[in-house]
Amino acid sequence: EDQVTQSPEALRLQEGESSSLNCSYTVSGLRGLFWYRQDPGKGPEFLFTLYSAGEEKEKERLKATLTKKESFLHITAPKPEDSATYLCAVQVTGFQKLVFGTGTRLLVSP
Amino acid sequence: NAGVTQTPKFRILKIGQSMTLQCTQDMNHNYMYWYRQDPGMGLKLIYYSVGAGITDKGEVPNGYNVSRSTTEDFPLRLELAAPSQTSVYFCASSLGTSDIQETQYFGPGTRLLVL
Repeated sequence: EDQVTQSPEALRLQEGESSSLNCSYTVSGLRGLFWYRQDPGKGPEFLFTLYSAGEEKEKERLKATLTKKESFLHITAPKPEDSATYLCAVQVTGFQKLVFGTGTRLLVSP
Repeated sequence: NAGVTQTPKFRILKIGQSMTLQCTQDMNHNYMYWYRQDPGMGLKLIYYSVGAGITDKGEVPNGYNVSRSTTEDFPLRLELAAPSQTSVYFCASSLGTSDIQETQYFGPGTRLLVL
């Protein structure tokens, strides 16, 4: 069975304190790995897609990386506005459906 | 473009009542999806559609029905609401070229409470 596990469940950082979120996956064949940001009461907002091991993508203070078993979302010098839940999802070869992890709730304090 | 829109934003239902959650997209996407999100759980796929007239079950379809008569609209029907259907429902869409992985774009969600 295809599975996605995110850790930690929750993370509290001080403004400027860099850290990483983890997404590990067990799938029959990876077609793509997606990172989304979700603010309270809102729908998930697309951040990145990673296709193959070794790939990296950046957007402002966020950098996503991918290996054969996991992905990391690195947050450099976070600001309070980075506070949100970050969701990881994988798309399995042969399907357009996504399998989601349960997310990491990030809180950045001033 | 408004993207993916959903109505209503919030609804309270009594056990046994029925309702339709509306979803519309203006991006000319072929694929549309319905998910539910429960606290502490990942988004679970309820139904999806690869084009007008074509729908298929996802991971948790029991208690729901869908139809897709147009490219733009993908309503989700709840018959005989049960407390277990209390959740936040998200509609999503993607372009629908099957050769590549595609980004799904989500609506703002409908919060449903069944009492």
